Parts: sequence; C-alpha cells; structure tokens
Amino acid sequence: AQSVTQLGSHVSVSEGALVLLRCNYSSSVPPYLFWYVQYPNQGLQLLLKYTSAATLVKGINGFEAEFKKSETSFHLTKPSAHMSDAAEYFCAVSGNQGGKLIFGQGTELSVKP
Amino acid sequence: NAGVTQTPKFRILKIGQSMTLQCTQDMNHNYMYWYRQDPGMGLKLIYYSVGAGITDKGEVPNGYNVSRSTTEDFPLRLELAAPSQTSVYFCASTPPTGMNTEAFFGQGTRLTVV
Repeated sequence: AQSVTQLGSHVSVSEGALVLLRCNYSSSVPPYLFWYVQYPNQGLQLLLKYTSAATLVKGINGFEAEFKKSETSFHLTKPSAHMSDAAEYFCAVSGNQGGKLIFGQGTELSVKP
Repeated sequence: NAGVTQTPKFRILKIGQSMTLQCTQDMNHNYMYWYRQDPGMGLKLIYYSVGAGITDKGEVPNGYNVSRSTTEDFPLRLELAAPSQTSVYFCASTPPTGMNTEAFFGQGTRLTVV
C-alpha cells in the first residue's frame, strides 16, 4: 500500500525566508510524486512532479523538490518566501492504477510581512 | 478552455435529502475522479472512472453513487444526506497516459448537511 505523510499541518515563515515543507512517502513500487497547491476557495494546481527523470525537480513560482530514495522523502523548498505563497500545499503519490492520487494531510503555509 | 467544471459551488442540504454534484471536462480525458476534502485529512478518493461505462470505488465510497455515461460527464450522487457528508468535493480528470500524469481539478463544491 502507498501512503504519504506531511510533517507539520501549519508552517509560518517571514517574507524572504526559506520555505521548507516536508513530505515522506511509502511505496512498494517506484513512486510518482507530486506537489499541489491550493489557494483559498480554489481547486488544486500542480506545482511540480517527480517522474524518475531527475531527482531535483523544479516547479512553478520558484519552488523545487528533491527526491531522496534513501530517506523516502520529497521535501518542497523555496529560497525566498513571498506573500503570494500563502496557501495549502499537498504532497501526493500516484497509486498503482491509473492516475489515482493518494494525498498527504496538507500543510498550510503562512507568510508574515 | 474550461478544463474541469463543477456545479454547484455551494449547497446546503437537510439530513435525508438527495442531490447530484455535477462534473464535466472538455479535455477528452478518459480518467475521472471524485475526492472529498476534510480539514486536516487531505483529499480522500470516493469513486473513479477509467472511461465511459466503467466506475469503481475509491477509499470512501459509502453513501455515494456515480455514473459515467459519456467521456465528458461524471456526476456524483448523494442519496440520503448525512452530517458526515459535510465536506468540500473535488472532481478531477487525467488522460490515460500513466501514473505520472498531472490531474486537473475543478474549483470544488462546498456542501453542508444540516
């Protein structure tokens, strides 16, 4: 069975500070991993995805994530937070059938001025 | 390009009432999904479909039904609404090109059962 754990339901950073959102996964097969962002009252939007082509994945809005098989992690980072980054972030792993996604619990990111 | 469209955006139901949440996509995607989102729980898969006429249960199917008569539409039916079904519901779709495919989400339907 596959599962995803996001450490920290709420993260608060100051504008300009490093953003680090943690995600660990469990999978019996090589995983496909995703980060989605949800702005208030909106649907989910893809930030980036890992598909085994490269362990460091760059996404939209300056975000990137590194796949570490030995640590079963796929943490999301951004060097300098912006007020517009305030949102909820979800890590997800693709299931064994088609595009079914298994989501983590979500991490709400707040950015202080 | 509209993508995935859900209606209604908001709805309040009384216990025992029924309703259908509508979802349509214009990207000719074969795969469609219904998720529910509850605070602190992430998104849980309710039902999914790999093509017209084919549906299957996800992780939390109890209390819901679906149908898929066309590629474009994937409605979700609540027959006897219960307070536990208060949630935000998201419909999503993907093309049938494998597990690394991006899912496209609708804007969500916020349902309250009182």
